[in-house]
Amino acid sequence: EAGVVQSPRYKIIEKKQPVAFWCNPISGHNTLYWYRQNLGQGPELLIRYENEEAVDDSQLPKDRFSAERLKGVDSTLKIQPAELGDSAVYLCASSPGTQETQYFGPGTRLLVL
Amino acid sequence: GENVEQHPSTLSVQEGDSAVIKCTYSDSASNYFPWYKQELGKGPQLIIDIRSNVGEKKDQRIAVTLNKTAKHFSLHITETQPEDSAVYFCAAGTGNQFYFGTGTSLTVIP
Repeated sequence: EAGVVQSPRYKIIEKKQPVAFWCNPISGHNTLYWYRQNLGQGPELLIRYENEEAVDDSQLPKDRFSAERLKGVDSTLKIQPAELGDSAVYLCASSPGTQETQYFGPGTRLLVL
Repeated sequence: GENVEQHPSTLSVQEGDSAVIKCTYSDSASNYFPWYKQELGKGPQLIIDIRSNVGEKKDQRIAVTLNKTAKHFSLHITETQPEDSAVYFCAAGTGNQFYFGTGTSLTVIP
């Protein structure tokens, strides 16, 4: 069974530029999560989707971050404009439903110069 | 919200010895406690989890214990091997959302 797929794996941009990350969850998983992991820290939740609905986006910096999950499958996380402090690993995870184990993708490593 | 503390931040053991990582949490409503292993350049991988109605769970060389009264839980790895070297994260919360500890970097010395 294929795991969670993320792309790109690495991204280097200059500050004030836009950037987008893509996630394809495990087939059949209705719940999708985006996390941010700073160096030496554990992942922190940015947003959680149940199917196509964002049910928890309280930690998403809405002034510059946006996300969508069209048709309740793939998801895109966007930052515009990026700031130096956005450098981190952005992880996507999925689970069959709520109250279920989460499976993580390999992450996208973002460096903002 | 939940606050998860994890200790130690780094741990070195000789191959074949045991390793223990401890976590505490603050929210008594938390009922799900997963442990993840993260290797360099990879995403976290679930290695074991425990729910609040269970005090201990074991899977081969890995075991987790939970003390809900004291709000702490621990990961035990026996007969450590070099491939166990990685960063380990505990987490606590509900199945909807859990909060991660800051990680323990485990090094198994051959």
